[in-house]
Amino acid sequence: KAGVTQTPRYLIKTRGQQVTLSCSPISGHRSVSWYQQTPGQGLQFLFEYFSETQRNKGNFPGRFSGRQFSNSRSEMNVSTLELGDSALYLCASSLADRGTDTQYFGPGTRLTVL
Amino acid sequence: DQQVKQNSPSLSVQEGRISILNCDYTNSMFDYFLWYKKYPAEGPTFLISISSIKDKNEDGRFTVFLNKSAKHLSLHIVPSQPGDSAVYFCAATGNQGGKLIFGQGTELSVKP
Repeated sequence: KAGVTQTPRYLIKTRGQQVTLSCSPISGHRSVSWYQQTPGQGLQFLFEYFSETQRNKGNFPGRFSGRQFSNSRSEMNVSTLELGDSALYLCASSLADRGTDTQYFGPGTRLTVL
Repeated sequence: DQQVKQNSPSLSVQEGRISILNCDYTNSMFDYFLWYKKYPAEGPTFLISISSIKDKNEDGRFTVFLNKSAKHLSLHIVPSQPGDSAVYFCAATGNQGGKLIFGQGTELSVKP
């Protein structure tokens, strides 16, 4: 079974631009969660989508948004990029109908904001 | 407010010996705990998990222990191998589906 895939793997943007990242979950997984990893803050939860609905949201500003499609693929969007948005963005998928399902991570998208 | 803490940023162990990585949590609503291994610029790889109804779970060289009264879990790796060198994260979740709270990670170095 193929793992979680994320595209693109690397991205360079400038301040004020917007960016869209894509995540394809493991086949059969219905939940997709997004995380941001930075050296200072570690791994932080952004949001989770299940059956095309945002089920959970972390403490990030409204510039960070996401969506999920009927095939469970998910995208996250960051508008008006700031230097501090430079990070590794990870998505994870799980079978999910319970909070105790194991999440499996993709390789991440490295975003650099100049 | 850090709900999951890994107080040791790094750990160095000799090959063949036991590695013990520790994790503490504060939220008593957490009922599922996971350990992930991570290399730089890659996604975390799932290692092992434990439900709050258990106090021990084993998978090959990896064993996770959970002490609910102390709100403490640990990952034991026996025997340690150089390929185990990586950053290890513990994570916890409760009834909020799909939301993992991570510790800050412990960098394990296994010396040949």
